[in-house]
Amino acid sequence: GAGVSQSPSNKVTEKGKDVELRCDPISGHTALYWYRQSLGQGLEFLIYFQGNSAPDKSGLPSDRFSAERTGGSVSTLTIQRTQQEDSAVYLCASSLGGRQIPLHFGNGTRLTVT
Amino acid sequence: LAKTTQPISMDSYEGQEVNITCSHNNIATNDYITWYQQFPSQGPRFIIQGYKTKVTNEVASLFIPADRKSSTLSLPRVSLSDTAVYYCLVGDGNAGNMLTFGGGTRLMVKP
Repeated sequence: GAGVSQSPSNKVTEKGKDVELRCDPISGHTALYWYRQSLGQGLEFLIYFQGNSAPDKSGLPSDRFSAERTGGSVSTLTIQRTQQEDSAVYLCASSLGGRQIPLHFGNGTRLTVT
Repeated sequence: LAKTTQPISMDSYEGQEVNITCSHNNIATNDYITWYQQFPSQGPRFIIQGYKTKVTNEVASLFIPADRKSSTLSLPRVSLSDTAVYYCLVGDGNAGNMLTFGGGTRLMVKP
């Protein structure tokens, strides 16, 4: 079946511009995560959505970052006034929820801020 | 937070068995142990998950001692296509922000 889809796959933007990254999770998955991966590094947790509960935003690095999830499905990660240090791969994952349910990842959006 | 520690890198040769150990000394009662594989330009892919003792599937085995403070991913007879980064993740899926990945182990399989 269809996996997690992210768009765009690549995004180049100028410093100071706003960007929106989209994630389409697997249908029926109630949990959705955003992670950031800098070049050659591990995954940094950003934000977590579970059903209709308030999202866990504890990983967002600054108030320039925000995310929403509409109708419990599609999610958008927005970065305002982008900085060069925002350059990274932004990965989205979804799961059925529950303690042991594994995460299914998309292939990410590679963001380059010039 | 159940912090994980893995070797940064490992080398192996085709046909050998590879064992990658992850330390997680402060694992919580509700935490599961999950391993992922990541190729360049792709998102991590689920390999195997366990809670205790041994789990085996078609691609790997996972060994977890009784105290659960570590786990070992075992890849039998690796091939060149197993060259990737392997991440150990320890956490409770009900606590989203606790699903924190460590730095991963970069496995290089040589011919």
